[in-house]
Amino acid sequence: SQQGEEDPQALSIQEGENATMNCSYKTSINNLQWYRQNSGRGLVHLILIRSNEREKHSGRLRVTLDTSKKSSSLLITASRAADTASYFCATDAEAAGNKLTFGGGTRVLVKP
Amino acid sequence: SQTIHQWPATLVQPVGSPLSLECTVEGTSNPNLYWYRQAAGRGLQLLFYSVGIGQISSEVPQNLSASRPQDRQFILSSKKLLLSDSGFYLCAWSPLDRDNTEAFFGQGTRLTVV
Repeated sequence: SQQGEEDPQALSIQEGENATMNCSYKTSINNLQWYRQNSGRGLVHLILIRSNEREKHSGRLRVTLDTSKKSSSLLITASRAADTASYFCATDAEAAGNKLTFGGGTRVLVKP
Repeated sequence: SQTIHQWPATLVQPVGSPLSLECTVEGTSNPNLYWYRQAAGRGLQLLFYSVGIGQISSEVPQNLSASRPQDRQFILSSKKLLLSDSGFYLCAWSPLDRDNTEAFFGQGTRLTVV
């Protein structure tokens, strides 16, 4: 079964707006990551946040992690049409042999 | 620098035919290797995970198998394909480091079983 579940499943916004998506997971984790996938392509790593971190930034991306709620959020600020893609969270946990498991993803459409 | 090669990019195979997808990694040693399958518009389902040569865990019962004949080579196979094996297959690697599990993906293989 999937460890992470993203919410919402799909998101449509105007260019310049912020996009926020959430990820919930079930068991204790070592790390949580966010990936981006353009249609029909492989996934590209965006950001990794460790279980002892609460917030991380990378350019226009901001990731938060709340281990008490077993949830994370990805915020894309000042979105651009080129941000149109699917975004996935992934977790690894020692109890699961440290393998990387993914959620169902959020499809983001940024309209110009 | 590290690179990952996955081929072919697309494949159309008849039901009952065999399958072999190959993935190779360059520029690193002892990587963790993964095979995922992605249905259209869905998330990634972990199929196989390997931490070393000959060490492969199967995540879901299925019509597929995996082998790791060399440290940086991961092969996904089937003896007889089913229609339900159609999908987008992704190979990935990550460092053998618990604190840095960033995964690097191949470009994927679109498999259509007809």
